[in-house]
Amino acid sequence: ELKVEQNPLFLSMQEGKNYTIYCNYSTTSDRLYWYRQDPGKSLESLFVLLSNGAVKQEGRLMASLDTKARLSTLHITAAVHDLSATYFCAGDFGNEKLTFGTGTRLTIIP
Amino acid sequence: GAVVSQHPSRVICKSGTSVKIECRSLDFQATTMFWYRQFPKQSLMLMATSNEGSKATYEQGVEKDKFLINHASLTLSTLTVTSAHPEDSSFYICSAREIAVSYEQYFGPGTRLTVT
Repeated sequence: ELKVEQNPLFLSMQEGKNYTIYCNYSTTSDRLYWYRQDPGKSLESLFVLLSNGAVKQEGRLMASLDTKARLSTLHITAAVHDLSATYFCAGDFGNEKLTFGTGTRLTIIP
Repeated sequence: GAVVSQHPSRVICKSGTSVKIECRSLDFQATTMFWYRQFPKQSLMLMATSNEGSKATYEQGVEKDKFLINHASLTLSTLTVTSAHPEDSSFYICSAREIAVSYEQYFGPGTRLTVT
């Protein structure tokens, strides 16, 4: 069964701290995506990771992909309040459809 | 570029009525569009894949007679929720894949459906 699991599901962290969200998946993925969702809103694309070892960074967010470990990470550096949101990873497992992870609800505390 | 719109953004309907939601790619042609449903505090679940000019492919457990999908052109797909019930209340999000960039999906702003 195809599974995409994220942990933690909930994350409360202080401003200025660093943390990592993990995305594990159960089968070979062609591509791995990260999205942000604010309450009541749709998805905002953050990163698309296309190959093993891919690393992408934008501002305080950095995503990486290890296809051998079937693991992607989203690292947050020196968190600020504006990063509070729900983050989803999603995989394209060869059928060009996206399977979403469970989501991580991130709350940044001043 | 790569903007996807949905209409309406919010809709309230009575139980037993039908509701149509439109998904449009505004500045690109989309061979494939996807329809997702998201219940509160949950992840997105793919309902169906819509290809222009052909029948939609529904995911397991999604009733094709209840959720009618039409993809009449390369820029428009519609989802009609027929005989809606309160349990159909949800956030419906479409996405579109651009012909030239097959790995990118662009998401619409979503439609919040409330069935009373």
